[in-house]
Amino acid sequence: NAGVTQTPKFRILKIGQSMTLQCTQDMNHNYMYWYRQDPGMGLKLIYYSVGAGITDKGEVPNGYNVSRSTTEDFPLRLELAAPSQTSVYFCASTKSLAGGSTGELFFGEGSRLTVL
Amino acid sequence: AQRVTQPEKLLSVFKGAPVELKCNYSYSGSPELFWYVQYSRQRLQLLLRHISRESIKGFTADLNKGETSFHLKKPFAQEEDSAMYYCALSGWGDQGGKLIFGQGTELSVKP
Repeated sequence: NAGVTQTPKFRILKIGQSMTLQCTQDMNHNYMYWYRQDPGMGLKLIYYSVGAGITDKGEVPNGYNVSRSTTEDFPLRLELAAPSQTSVYFCASTKSLAGGSTGELFFGEGSRLTVL
Repeated sequence: AQRVTQPEKLLSVFKGAPVELKCNYSYSGSPELFWYVQYSRQRLQLLLRHISRESIKGFTADLNKGETSFHLKKPFAQEEDSAMYYCALSGWGDQGGKLIFGQGTELSVKP
């Protein structure tokens, strides 16, 4: 199993450009997440999904969009990139259980995005 | 408000010394607490969870609801313990199993 795969690993964008960060997992996990991590800060939740066709906002959703058309894929779309979106982005997934999840998130390697 | 606080950005100890990485939380319901670790050039991964009450790689953590703390401890640090450590919280039965992370503590174990 490849686990959680994110692409690209690095990207430089100009202000106002758009892009999509791809995330796919092969563990048949229902729950998927996008976090961002700024220097010296913890991970902050952008969006999450509890299954195909279902997405919900996290703590910092502004400037981002997501979709979940399949169990495996959870792309994150940045519209009109801004310098404040310069960050490292992590995709993660976990198995759902009755009453919640296991709490063990499986993370991708991260995508470092710079907006200039 | 739900919050996880790790007061130390960097903790530096010598090999063989005891280690305690602090974690305090704020949560109105019944929390589940976790420690995640990221070694150099590796992915963030689960180290241990309070509900398991287990020792992983010599690390233990006890949930103290009175002090709202979940400190990570190891009696004798090893050089291979050097990594970033994140404390995280989830609400019991929370829809979506979302985790709230602390800011992280970098542990550096010197020879």
